Amino acid sequence: KAGVTQTPRYLIKTRGQQVTLSCSPISGHRSVSWYQQTPGQGLQFLFEYFSETQRNKGNFPGRFSGRQFSNSRSEMNVSTLELGDSALYLCASSLGLAGGGEQFFGPGTRLTVL
Amino acid sequence: GESVGLHLPTLSVQEGDNSIINCAYSNSASDYFIWYKQESGKGPQFIIDIRSNMDKRQGQRVTVLLNKTVKHLSLQIAATQPGDSAVYFCAENTGGSYIPTFGRGTSLIVHP
Repeated sequence: KAGVTQTPRYLIKTRGQQVTLSCSPISGHRSVSWYQQTPGQGLQFLFEYFSETQRNKGNFPGRFSGRQFSNSRSEMNVSTLELGDSALYLCASSLGLAGGGEQFFGPGTRLTVL
Repeated sequence: GESVGLHLPTLSVQEGDNSIINCAYSNSASDYFIWYKQESGKGPQFIIDIRSNMDKRQGQRVTVLLNKTVKHLSLQIAATQPGDSAVYFCAENTGGSYIPTFGRGTSLIVHP
């Protein structure tokens, strides 16, 4: 079956703009989690959605938000972009909650903020 | 491809050698651990997992060891191949919180 897909793969924005990233999970998976990956901080958890509800949230400012649709597809939004938001944003899906089992990751969206 | 880290610990081995990658975890209440492999340009990929009621688990060419006393996890790769070159992450999960915490990662370089 098809894996986790993320769009777009690459994105360049300027400070102050906002951005929306999209993730399509593996068919049948109800949980979608988002992570930010940077060389300095590694892989950091942003939030998790399960059945359209945010179940967990990491330690990120309110500029980072997300949502999940009834077909389990998810979007994350970052408003008022800062230079430090430049990172690889990874989406992962799982059958159950993220902490309970294996997660399947997409290839990521590389965001560059100028 | 995508670079996942510029300041990661690096392990260099020769093809055919055995590799051992270590991870120290932080929360003594963590009860489920996963090793992931991330190749350049790709997202992390599940390798093997272990629950806290075990101290060893074997897969195909990989073994994970868990030492809860010192909060240490290791991944052993037998007969390392060039295709094993990647960044390896450990992730810990604490019962009830369901938020995985990832280690910084180790870059494995396999020389033919």
